[in-house]
Amino acid sequence: GAGVSQSPRYKVAKRGQDVALRCDPISGHVSLFWYQQALGQGPEFLTYFQNEAQLDKSGLPSDRFFAERPEGSVSTLKIQRTQQEDSAVYLCASSSGTGGAGNQPQHFGDGTRLSIL
Amino acid sequence: AQSVAQPEDQVNVAEGNPLTVKCTYSVSGNPYLFWYVQYPNRGLQFLLKYITGDNLVKGSYGFEAEFNKSQTSFHLKKPSALVSDSALYFCAVRVQIHSNYQLIWGAGTKLIIKP
Repeated sequence: GAGVSQSPRYKVAKRGQDVALRCDPISGHVSLFWYQQALGQGPEFLTYFQNEAQLDKSGLPSDRFFAERPEGSVSTLKIQRTQQEDSAVYLCASSSGTGGAGNQPQHFGDGTRLSIL
Repeated sequence: AQSVAQPEDQVNVAEGNPLTVKCTYSVSGNPYLFWYVQYPNRGLQFLLKYITGDNLVKGSYGFEAEFNKSQTSFHLKKPSALVSDSALYFCAVRVQIHSNYQLIWGAGTKLIIKP
């Protein structure tokens, strides 16, 4: 497919479990972003990669959140010891631009809806 | 503090009528402004952007937006609404946090177009 692909679409986990969310960006896109979207809210920035380098992780809410993009393509967002407040939709976006959020539009996946019981 | 606001949670418009979805911002320097649309259970889709130049920006699906520097606004408009325009609309502005650029997003406006 030509778009950003995220998996799984839905994830239910018990409090305390670890989860891993995957993002396949558009081929050739240098920049990759992760966002958290709570119900009825706009996206909140989590972290940004330029190729394999994580240049900005200022939005990660705690050290339980970890993201990687080892080969500069697929990215994984991992949440350890999940809490109920982690329940949200996690969105991934990619862009052909560099330098963070620039003048190139971001292309979003459909998100992973995470529910922590 | 840098911010973006969408003052209306919901906008209701009759099909065929013009629509406006409001956005105001507060940033340092020249703003980069964006509008995105989100359909249920889907990711956000880019509609249009303002970087520099003409204050009236044209985008996808017949939408346009007007940049107004004095009012710090970037309202989304369409001359004739379609039922299929019903969705959630987000305004975003680029900000610099330390040495990196991020988008900060409004809370969204639900647009309902009635037949």
